[in-house]
Amino acid sequence: DTAVSQTPKYLVTQMGNDKSIKCEQNLGHDTMYWYKQDSKKFLKIMFSYNNKELIINETVPNRFSPKSPDKAHLNLHINSLELGDSAVYFCASSPAWRGYEQYFGPGTRLTVT
Amino acid sequence: SQQGEEDPQALSIQEGENATMNCSYKTSINNLQWYRQNSGRGLVHLILIRSNEREKHSGRLRVTLDTSKKSSSLLITASRAADTASYFCATDAAGIGGSEKLVFGKGMKLTVNP
Repeated sequence: DTAVSQTPKYLVTQMGNDKSIKCEQNLGHDTMYWYKQDSKKFLKIMFSYNNKELIINETVPNRFSPKSPDKAHLNLHINSLELGDSAVYFCASSPAWRGYEQYFGPGTRLTVT
Repeated sequence: SQQGEEDPQALSIQEGENATMNCSYKTSINNLQWYRQNSGRGLVHLILIRSNEREKHSGRLRVTLDTSKKSSSLLITASRAADTASYFCATDAAGIGGSEKLVFGKGMKLTVNP
């Protein structure tokens, strides 16, 4: 069984569109994250939720909005997509929000044309 | 801001050789973690070493931590072609004046030639 899953795996869309990426974890973890990995492989955190509560909100455009309907799910909605949003987006989870390893999903490669 | 920095940026070795990757960081930490990323895949956690630990082993992996030098090293012994991947160190400085998030280094590309 996949521990952290993301859909879709690939997303190709045009500038100005709105899209969502979904993430689910079946590990029973309390904390979930969204990361963005750019073309140089630099991995930067965007958001983190602990027990459905937003605890990390990095400096990202407010076109990005996370939503956590329950502890096992964390979705990312992106409005008015721009070329610079092209990247690989990773969801991750950890047992708690401090001091633990993180388990990553397979990534969603977003290409904005 | 960037915390961990891996060195070297890229390493190419022959199968069977050992590979050593280094990570330097700037602030005090709770723990330091190493992750592996195969091409086109998500990151996989390898080892977590806490600030009061000096060395940790997991299979063919050995991690050391020197908090006085703010550095860590990851040693992969008897490397295999399947070890070809990018390796990242990440530092956790939550609650001790550092960021409340895990901060990843830029990564290091290891190529193991068969």
